[in-house]
Amino acid sequence: NAGVTQTPKFQVLKTGQSMTLQCAQDMNHEYMSWYRQDPGMGLRLIHYSVGAGITDQGEVPNGYNVSRSTTEDFPLRLLSAAPSQTSVYFCASSYSHSLVMNTEAFFGQGTRLTVV
Amino acid sequence: AQKVTQAQTEISVVEKEDVTLDCVYETRDTTYYLFWYKQPPSGELVFLIRRNSFDEQNEISGRYSWNFQKSTSSFNFTITASQVVDSAVYFCALSLYNTDKLIFGTGTRLQVFP
Repeated sequence: NAGVTQTPKFQVLKTGQSMTLQCAQDMNHEYMSWYRQDPGMGLRLIHYSVGAGITDQGEVPNGYNVSRSTTEDFPLRLLSAAPSQTSVYFCASSYSHSLVMNTEAFFGQGTRLTVV
Repeated sequence: AQKVTQAQTEISVVEKEDVTLDCVYETRDTTYYLFWYKQPPSGELVFLIRRNSFDEQNEISGRYSWNFQKSTSSFNFTITASQVVDSAVYFCALSLYNTDKLIFGTGTRLQVFP
């Protein structure tokens, strides 16, 4: 099992460019999410998905799009990068089932994004 | 609204000292879950513990222990006989029943010096 795999690990973008951060998990988890980590602010939820075809906004969704066409993949798209999106991005997945709720999240290694 | 507060931004200790990391949470829900994650210098997030709101028993795992007190809305984490490898940022997090959305505190950076 690879767990949660994020690519790339590092990225530098120019203001206005777009890009997609990839996230894949091989644990057959229904729940996937994206967080951003900024100094002094902990991790904040950007978007999440409770299963294929279902996505919803988190705390800081502006400037980001997501889709969930398969259980395994949950890409995060930056539409027009801004310096305020400079951050470390984490993808996470967890097993949610009617009998087992709120299980621990497994995190990817993170993507360090710099927008100049 | 839900919130997690980790008032200690940074703690420095010398090896073998005991250290407690504080976590205070806010929620009006009666069913919720609390977590601790460790982020070592390499950057990944490592799960440490999950506790539901109906289980106030303290938990011990090796040198780690957790004290959950609903009366004070706290879920504190103690490392006994700290080691240099314990140096990391530690996050406390809250999720409400039937949602896996995590609400994180701002983290406490622990530095353990030899």
